[in-house]
Amino acid sequence: QVHLVESGGGVVQPGGSLRLSCAASGFTFNSVGMHWVRQAPGKGLEWVTFIRFDGTTKYYADSVKGRFTISRDDSKNTVYLQMNSLRTEDTAVYYCAKNWLGYYMDVWGKGTTVTVSS
Amino acid sequence: DIVLTQSPGTLSLSPGERATLSCRASQSVTNNYFAWFQQKPGQTPRLLIYAASSRATGIPDRFSGSGSGTDFSLTISRLEPEDSAMYYCQQQGNSQWTFGQGTKVEIK
Repeated sequence: QVHLVESGGGVVQPGGSLRLSCAASGFTFNSVGMHWVRQAPGKGLEWVTFIRFDGTTKYYADSVKGRFTISRDDSKNTVYLQMNSLRTEDTAVYYCAKNWLGYYMDVWGKGTTVTVSS
Repeated sequence: DIVLTQSPGTLSLSPGERATLSCRASQSVTNNYFAWFQQKPGQTPRLLIYAASSRATGIPDRFSGSGSGTDFSLTISRLEPEDSAMYYCQQQGNSQWTFGQGTKVEIK
């Protein structure tokens, strides 16, 4: 069964850093692209970033470009989100999602909560 | 970037009624790389429809998607109480993915 489990969320001050992890199981991780998507409290979904199955291509939303970095470790079946220079508006539940057919997100984790506050 | 605008903001209907949700894109969506998601309170989003009109695995046939170019819709043919949720449209193009702001479906 396909399973994604996020971790690493917490409370951090503005300007701080945090690294999120997403552990995958139940599928061939090194053949699949992965996304991070976030949802601010009471708000809608916002796509954050994508990494191709081989790690060679990464895309970012303008709102996080230059501050966030996505990476993957296929030996650990894990995708990471390094978040630097955090702002209060980055406060959200962060979901990882599995890419499917190149363009869709078919399986999502339960999310990890990031709170940026002084 | 392509902006997706969903309407209406909230839809309040009775069980058995038909619900039609709309999503309009600011530019034509490439190759119909377009999807619909359902999210219930406290739960993870669930993929309902992909490629504008194909149902994802395990999705009941009362859910259907249609549209192309800039105008898309999701229809729930006979509402059931468990269909109460937020519904989001989503597209992929120009190396970006974007979501609409959501439509809330309430069951009376």
